[in-house]
Amino acid sequence: NAGVTQTPKFQVLKTGQSMTLQCAQDMNHEYMSWYRQDPGMGLRLIHYSVGAGITDQGEVPNGYNVSRSTTEDFPLRLLSAAPSQTSVYFCASSQNQGANTGELFFGEGSRLTVL
Amino acid sequence: AQSVAQPEDQVNVAEGNPLTVKCTYSVSGNPYLFWYVQYPNRGLQFLLKYITGDNLVKGSYGFEAEFNKSQTSFHLKKPSALVSDSALYFCAVIGRGGFKTIFGAGTRLFVKA
Repeated sequence: NAGVTQTPKFQVLKTGQSMTLQCAQDMNHEYMSWYRQDPGMGLRLIHYSVGAGITDQGEVPNGYNVSRSTTEDFPLRLLSAAPSQTSVYFCASSQNQGANTGELFFGEGSRLTVL
Repeated sequence: AQSVAQPEDQVNVAEGNPLTVKCTYSVSGNPYLFWYVQYPNRGLQFLLKYITGDNLVKGSYGFEAEFNKSQTSFHLKKPSALVSDSALYFCAVIGRGGFKTIFGAGTRLFVKA
């Protein structure tokens, strides 16, 4: 039972480069989300999706794009990386949010460094 | 807008003593409240949640939390701390009808043998 799988686990980018963080879940969860974790700031929501074809912005969406073409996958794209995007990124999924108040299942994280 | 406050950056307790990790929240309407734990270099793991009903919620690893509506608090407690409880703890909230889980800044729990 893989749960939520994130790749890569580590990545170093130069300023201005682009990349995609991959997230896949095998629990048939409708809800998926991306967070970034920075020291002293907890987890901040970047984008989320309540189902295939539906995405919305979280607290800190600038500089990031997402898409949800399938239930299983929710990639996070950095179009032009900046040093301020150095962080640990977590993907999380839930059976539902709001109506069913499901708890989140987290991946192991992707540590990104932008030079 | 919903928010969560964890007023203590770190909590230190001796093994065998009771522990409390504090959390207060602000949200429109009745909240859904959660506690998660994070061990080093790992993702967050769910501990417990309050949706409705009994104000005292029991969760994994002997942890419990008490919902207090008048004080808008949801403190995490354990009667007897273990060294293995040392970790980073996050309180989180979803507003009713909402889709965003908002986290506090986290509290590091250190249990000394």
